[in-house]
Amino acid sequence: DQQVKQNSPSLSVQEGRISILNCDYTNSMFDYFLWYKKYPAEGPTFLISISSIKDKNEDGRFTVFLNKSAKHLSLHIVPSQPGDSAVYFCAASYMEYGNKLVFGAGTILRVKS
Amino acid sequence: DAGVTQSPTHLIKTRGQQVTLRCSPKSGHDTVSWYQQALGQGPQFIFQYYEEEERQRGNFPDRFSGHQFPNYSSELNVNALLLGDSALYLCASSFGDELNEKLFFGSGTQLSVL
Repeated sequence: DQQVKQNSPSLSVQEGRISILNCDYTNSMFDYFLWYKKYPAEGPTFLISISSIKDKNEDGRFTVFLNKSAKHLSLHIVPSQPGDSAVYFCAASYMEYGNKLVFGAGTILRVKS
Repeated sequence: DAGVTQSPTHLIKTRGQQVTLRCSPKSGHDTVSWYQQALGQGPQFIFQYYEEEERQRGNFPDRFSGHQFPNYSSELNVNALLLGDSALYLCASSFGDELNEKLFFGSGTQLSVL
């Protein structure tokens, strides 16, 4: 039962352009969403989060959008840089879960220079 | 300030054996969670330890067990290894019920079961 889905295994973007990574979820109880970035041989590192009471959160080049009615969120990276090349995981949680996270399968982002 | 450290980094075992993985949390953290990341998948929650007790558990069989020591470090034990247990095992630490973005991951232990 995949509660969090990232349907695009990979994405290739030109340096300086926008990268858009998508994530869908099925459990309507989820109220907190996060994006993690993972480089090879390293653990995932927190990137940005959004609470279900918001529909947008921005941090520098990274913006996350949440559409609760569609159970969909997206991560926008503008402008994309070669150093952004990594695996991006979408994760979700809800209050009763504490800080137990449910992850998607990840999207490999390649930013070409 | 050392982050989350895990040992060993790589491990090869055969079916039926037992394995113990170790994790030291980030300084100041008292809660340790373990995740299994199979190839091509996202991390999957195994269990979480707080105050030396298992607080939450994911959908994993009893072959997976853990322990937390008074210094907050933790061990993950897997008995009767199966080929399907081959994965990257990630440890994550946090302080109590802090918000999820305060969850810090180690680099993981890559377990191969032959």
